[in-house]
Parts: sequence; C-alpha cells; structure tokens
Amino acid sequence: QVQLQEPGPGLVKPSETLSLTCTVSGGSISNYYWSWIRQPPGKALEWIGYLYYTGTTRYNPSLKSRVSISGDTSRNYFSLKLNSVTAADTAVYFCATSDYDWVQHWGQGTLVIVSS
Amino acid sequence: AIQLTQSPSSLSASVGDRVTITCRASQDIIDALAWYQQKPGKPPQLLIYAASSLERGVPSRFSGSGSGTNFALTITNLQPEDFATYYCQQFHSYPLSFGGGTKVEIK
Repeated sequence: QVQLQEPGPGLVKPSETLSLTCTVSGGSISNYYWSWIRQPPGKALEWIGYLYYTGTTRYNPSLKSRVSISGDTSRNYFSLKLNSVTAADTAVYFCATSDYDWVQHWGQGTLVIVSS
Repeated sequence: AIQLTQSPSSLSASVGDRVTITCRASQDIIDALAWYQQKPGKPPQLLIYAASSLERGVPSRFSGSGSGTNFALTITNLQPEDFATYYCQQFHSYPLSFGGGTKVEIK
C-alpha cells in the first residue's frame, strides 16, 4: 500500500515561494501519476497538477505560470513549488497518486497559511 | 475548462435513508467521473471511478450512475459513518476538476 507524507512549512510570506515535498513509501515514483491538490479552508478541492513517471508534467492553467512539480527518483519523493503566493493560496495541500486520472491514494494534507 | 455542479450543496438525512447526490458537467464527459468521500480533517477517499465502478473495499451501499453530463451517487441504508462531504471529479480532459461538494448531515 502506497503511503504519502507531506510535512510542510506551515507559514509563507506573501510574494514568497511555497515549497512542499511529498515522501513516498510502499511505491516508487518511477511509476504512476504523482499529483498535488489543494483545498482552501471550508472550500472545494482544486487540482494543481501532476508529474507522470516519464517526467511529463501537467498543470492547472489557473496556476501554470507560478507552479512547478518535480521528482527525485533516487530519494523517492516529489515536490511542489508555487511562487509569488498571496492569501488566496492559503489551503491544505495534498499530495496524491494513482495509476489513472482519478486519485487512489492521498497524503494526510498539510495546511499552508500565507501571511506576513 | 469543464465545470462540475453538484446538488444539493447540503442535505439532512437519517440513518437507514436512501440518499442521492447529483453532479452535472458543463460538457459531455462520457463516463470519466469519480466520487470521493471526505470527513473533517481527513483527505478524500475514493468511492467510485468511471461513473459506476466501485473502488475495492468500498461498501456496496454506495453506487454511481450516469453518463454524458448527468451523474449521481446513491447511498442506500445510510450508516453513521457516511455523514461526510462528497465530491465528484471529472477526468475527461485537463485541467482535472472537482465539484463544489455535498455535505450530508444527520437529521
């Protein structure tokens, strides 16, 4: 069973870069889709993007100019970077994985607050 | 981008009830729809994929139906552990998108 863990910084200042890493156990990032999804407090889920095991990435156009997802196969983790953050980026960020375009396995989520 | 509209946004029901939640897509997504259950402070859990396929380990009281633009999640014999928020997600085209959620509360 794949397990995902995404400890995060918790607090990021406006205009700075949010960086999160998802550690994978019980599976290899050399397979499957590896995604980031976020959920503002009390609101619905928003797909951020994914890294496919081939190295292909795909992002939500609403964030595309600010987001980057990458992976390290030697250490079996993948990362999210979101730059120029504002209060609107305050959310619980989930890392997730699946064989397909629906999500089979989720991390527990980490709350990131954007505030000075 | 494909928009998903769920209704109702919330409902109250009793243990043992039959509950139906609908999800309407802004364009034809064939059967490229999944349903998730989310409890407070927890990540979503996959229930249904490809509109009507039950994920392994999910109780059979959950079922999905529909195609094209209209879909439904039905819970028969509602159990105490089913009180949660439910989301639909389309995977027909990018960007992947989720519905606004339906909160199922105890009457």
